[in-house]
Amino acid sequence: QQPVQSPQAVILREGEDAVINCSSSKALYSVHWYRQKHGEAPVFLMILLKGGEQKGHEKISASFNEKKQQSSLYLTASQLSYSGTYFCGTEIGGGSNYKLTFGKGTLLTVNP
Amino acid sequence: NAGVTQTPKFQVLKTGQSMTLQCAQDMNHEYMSWYRQDPGMGLRLIHYSVGAGITDQGEVPNGYNVSRSTTEDFPLRLLSAAPSQTSVYFCASSWGTAQETQYFGPGTRLLVL
Repeated sequence: QQPVQSPQAVILREGEDAVINCSSSKALYSVHWYRQKHGEAPVFLMILLKGGEQKGHEKISASFNEKKQQSSLYLTASQLSYSGTYFCGTEIGGGSNYKLTFGKGTLLTVNP
Repeated sequence: NAGVTQTPKFQVLKTGQSMTLQCAQDMNHEYMSWYRQDPGMGLRLIHYSVGAGITDQGEVPNGYNVSRSTTEDFPLRLLSAAPSQTSVYFCASSWGTAQETQYFGPGTRLLVL
């Protein structure tokens, strides 16, 4: 089941903040966040694991609400380099389930 | 380290032709996967492997075959190309499971006429 991301697109001015949400209808074991610039491969930002452990980027934070099967990515004091499409990837169940399912993406544009 | 490499970068096929998309990694990763990316659809998992000799299906496996004879290589085979398989294909690898950082290759753009 593909997670649902919101908003689909957001436009910011440099220095503004943004929140991108990711929700699933199934219990999540982990949530991944990736950023993709046009014509390039996705690049890792953050992993949030069930139980609270986080691995990832210093300047970007995220939350993981296990009860609500939701995750949010917080981009503060945005820079021009933050522009791109953000994807959340969800892992359902953990253990022997190695499938990572990605949302459709959120297009973030940061203008000067 | 070269990381994850994919060849070719771009390919045009005619309907019914077969081809193999190559993926290799030099990080000794156990977990490798193939995704396709279509406009507005995000990344969809085609097949994945948790080690040499072990593969399994993802969300959209029809029309594709994979095998994993070595830790380094994970080729994706299109048996009889169809226009619906026009897409950008990404290979990814990670240390252990889907819970680890996925390292993506640069992608292969495939056009099926």
